[in-house]
Amino acid sequence: EPEVTQTPSHQVTQMGQEVILRCVPISNHLYFYWYRQILGQKVEFLVSFYNNEISEKSEIFDDQFSVERPDGSNFTLKIRSTKLEDSAMYFCASSPSWVTGELFFGEGSRLTVL
Amino acid sequence: TQLLEQSPQFLSIQEGENLTVYCNSSSVFSSLQWYRQEPGEGPVLLVTVVTGGEVKKLKRLTFQFGDARKDSSLHITAAQPGDTGLYLCAGAQTGANNLFFGTGTRLTVIP
Repeated sequence: EPEVTQTPSHQVTQMGQEVILRCVPISNHLYFYWYRQILGQKVEFLVSFYNNEISEKSEIFDDQFSVERPDGSNFTLKIRSTKLEDSAMYFCASSPSWVTGELFFGEGSRLTVL
Repeated sequence: TQLLEQSPQFLSIQEGENLTVYCNSSSVFSSLQWYRQEPGEGPVLLVTVVTGGEVKKLKRLTFQFGDARKDSSLHITAAQPGDTGLYLCAGAQTGANNLFFGTGTRLTVIP
């Protein structure tokens, strides 16, 4: 069964360093998303991406964040200068359409900022 | 930010008991999904409801979308230890390309 894959599963970084989280969405899906979940808290929307551009972004997704689909298969989230509060589980998701909003999530990348 | 409140936040029950989890909002949603999340994994879609008043059944799980499309419930009959997990509701709104997730209900079913 097709699935969304994410790498790395866990990354530890120093505050101020750049981090790139990678995702391979399901191949025939057109809509791509990043969500994050701080430990013990709710799943929060970061950004949605369609047709090679950002569709929507939340207040969390500030200038330190960027997304890219560099080669038609990978979907990346970059954090330019990490802060302690960026420590969270980051989930990539994809969807074949936006008719009913059904998302298929990856297993997540745990980011720890020291 | 659209707020989806789930209740209860935590629920611990004995195997075989029935339970209901609620998801409430003051906002109207075009569709609502229920997901289940295991520790260290991403949410997995259980069901999508679209029409006000809609009821969907998935084995021992019954999902209902409120008539006004502002709330939803998940009822589990004869809970099993395998039902243990974090249950999340998530709503989509017309014209918006994202999902708003609820606060979550952590269910523990004790054998």
